[in-house]
Amino acid sequence: DAGVIQSPRHEVTEMGQEVTLRCKPISGHNSLFWYRQTMMRGLELLIYFNNNVPIDDSGMPEDRFSAKMPNASFSTLKIQPSEPRDSAVYFCASSPPGTFTYNEQFFGPGTRLTVL
Amino acid sequence: EDQVTQSPEALRLQEGESSSLNCSYTVSGLRGLFWYRQDPGKGPEFLFTLYSAGEEKEKERLKATLTKKESFLHITAPKPEDSATYLCAVGGFQKLVFGTGTRLLVSP
Repeated sequence: DAGVIQSPRHEVTEMGQEVTLRCKPISGHNSLFWYRQTMMRGLELLIYFNNNVPIDDSGMPEDRFSAKMPNASFSTLKIQPSEPRDSAVYFCASSPPGTFTYNEQFFGPGTRLTVL
Repeated sequence: EDQVTQSPEALRLQEGESSSLNCSYTVSGLRGLFWYRQDPGKGPEFLFTLYSAGEEKEKERLKATLTKKESFLHITAPKPEDSATYLCAVGGFQKLVFGTGTRLLVSP
């Protein structure tokens, strides 16, 4: 099993540019989560999908952030325009069928984003 | 609002020196309490799920316990390879909320 796959692993961009982060969940998992991790705030849930449908996006910081899940094997998190305060490690996680709060989540390796 | 507080923020132990990490929480309707381990540059790795007060789970040198207000992660005779950040998370009705973690360093 390949686990959760994220790309790119590292992204350096300039303020104002569009950034797209990608995630492939574990096959058979039907819940997908996007998190942001910083030293100050720890791990924060941005949005989660169940069966490709966004269930809760209340953690998305502002309209500059958007996420899509066009099918069961692919999701994107887009930031447009990017700002220096968006610099963080972004994780994608997936979990198997069931009420998500009962199931352990499997995390990808993360994308380290630096906005200059 | 669901909240998780972990203590201490950092802990340094000598190899073989047992200790405990604390996770205090407030949640409206606990569905599960989770412990994760995170190594530098990697995503969190699942360790345990606890569902109700009094429940305990063990894995090698780690033992997790749960009460109505907190959870402990006991580390018995730790080894240097146990060095990592340990994250606690609580699942309520809607979300999984993570604490900021305890950074554990075990010296040989």
